[in-house]
Amino acid sequence: QVQLVQSGAEVKEPGASVKVSCKASGYTFTSYAIHWVRQAPGQRLEWMGWINAGNANTKYSQEFQGRVTFTRDTSASTAYMELSSLKSEDTAVYYCAREGPPRKFDPWGQGTLVTVSS
Amino acid sequence: QSVLTQPPSVSGAPGQRVTISCTGSSSNIGAGYDVHWYQQLPGIAPKLLIYGNTNRPSGVPDRFSGSKSGTSASLAISGLQAEDEADYYCHSYDSSLSGYVFGTGTKVTVL
Repeated sequence: QVQLVQSGAEVKEPGASVKVSCKASGYTFTSYAIHWVRQAPGQRLEWMGWINAGNANTKYSQEFQGRVTFTRDTSASTAYMELSSLKSEDTAVYYCAREGPPRKFDPWGQGTLVTVSS
Repeated sequence: QSVLTQPPSVSGAPGQRVTISCTGSSSNIGAGYDVHWYQQLPGIAPKLLIYGNTNRPSGVPDRFSGSKSGTSASLAISGLQAEDEADYYCHSYDSSLSGYVFGTGTKVTVL
């Protein structure tokens, strides 16, 4: 079945960077875009951007522009999200999700908790 | 960032019908972009509930239904059950952002 499995929880200090992975299985990885969405504790879902897994084109939300980078490794069917210059406000669960027509997100990864604390 | 507005909470007794509204603007829902709905149980990743305004993925009970009109969309849950207690989010594309937006989220409580 189609599945996205993310890397484990991370604890980082302010100013550091974090890289979260999202491994896809059950479908042709390069045929779909992967989106990244985050959710701060008790808050709503926030769209961060997407990567075309086929040609590696990216689109970043204005909110994260300049601080986030999406990459992918087609040989490993894995997408990555790297967020730099971490602040305490970046403490959140980060999700990856596959985009399918008509622009719906399904399925989602299980989420990766990133805690930013000194 | 542009958002879609939902009521913070709705509640109902078992068996009742509840509806959740999602109000957007002329750059997202009103521009004709599809609305999708997700259910998020506590501590779990969101799950697709309704896609393309009115369609249910396989496995989603027909108690859940979606609609769209103008700059708004709605999710209805009929025959409310205890297992429906969760947060619900609407989602659409926004042309002014050239990106995606989520609703503010609605917590459904079964009394």
